[in-house]
Amino acid sequence: GDSVTQMEGPVTLSEEAFLTINCTYTATGYPSLFWYVQYPGEGLQLLLKATKADDKGSNKGFEATYRKETTSFHLEKGSVQVSDSAVYFCARGEGSYIPTFGRGTSLIVHP
Amino acid sequence: ETGVTQTPRHLVMGMTNKKSLKCEQHLGHNAMYWYKQSAKKPLELMFVYNFKEQTENNSVPSRFSPECPNSSHLFLHLHTLQPEDSALYLCASSPRTGGELDTEAFFGQGTRLTVV
Repeated sequence: GDSVTQMEGPVTLSEEAFLTINCTYTATGYPSLFWYVQYPGEGLQLLLKATKADDKGSNKGFEATYRKETTSFHLEKGSVQVSDSAVYFCARGEGSYIPTFGRGTSLIVHP
Repeated sequence: ETGVTQTPRHLVMGMTNKKSLKCEQHLGHNAMYWYKQSAKKPLELMFVYNFKEQTENNSVPSRFSPECPNSSHLFLHLHTLQPEDSALYLCASSPRTGGELDTEAFFGQGTRLTVV
């Protein structure tokens, strides 16, 4: 099975709504965890990361906390904007230099 | 700007053509990757090069041929492609310093390939 599992999209929200995109992972050790964002017509860009349990990654109003007990790294933002419309990928790296990506979750924000 | 540059950004080719995609990074990274991104499918890892040596080939058809002449450049040579090969092809690089737990990847903007 997948080693990184994301909620299926698309997620459709109105501007200023609260966002949560769920991500869980499987691991035998202690991976680093990442969220990447892909805007239309672009490649993936790193949004935030966390390298150990209980770390919180944050950037551009987005946050995610590394939860070892629930093997989760959910992405949250308190108030989304139209410009946040993009595809969001959860990823992990562990014991290998090759990161593993989830399937991606499309976010659509309406004015 | 991530420091990884891909050319061309868009490519239309016939099934009998031969073309090449180029990726370049000057970030000092030692690992480089080719990914395929198709509509409604997960990101597919195609090839991995580490210190110019190919370390992964995920059952990619031989009509895709990678080349890594040095740690800064990666090519994907294409020949006799099929319409289902139309996709966004992404190049990425990452450091390979020995501390592999922090494997952040830097992506190029991709080449949008259409096979007609």
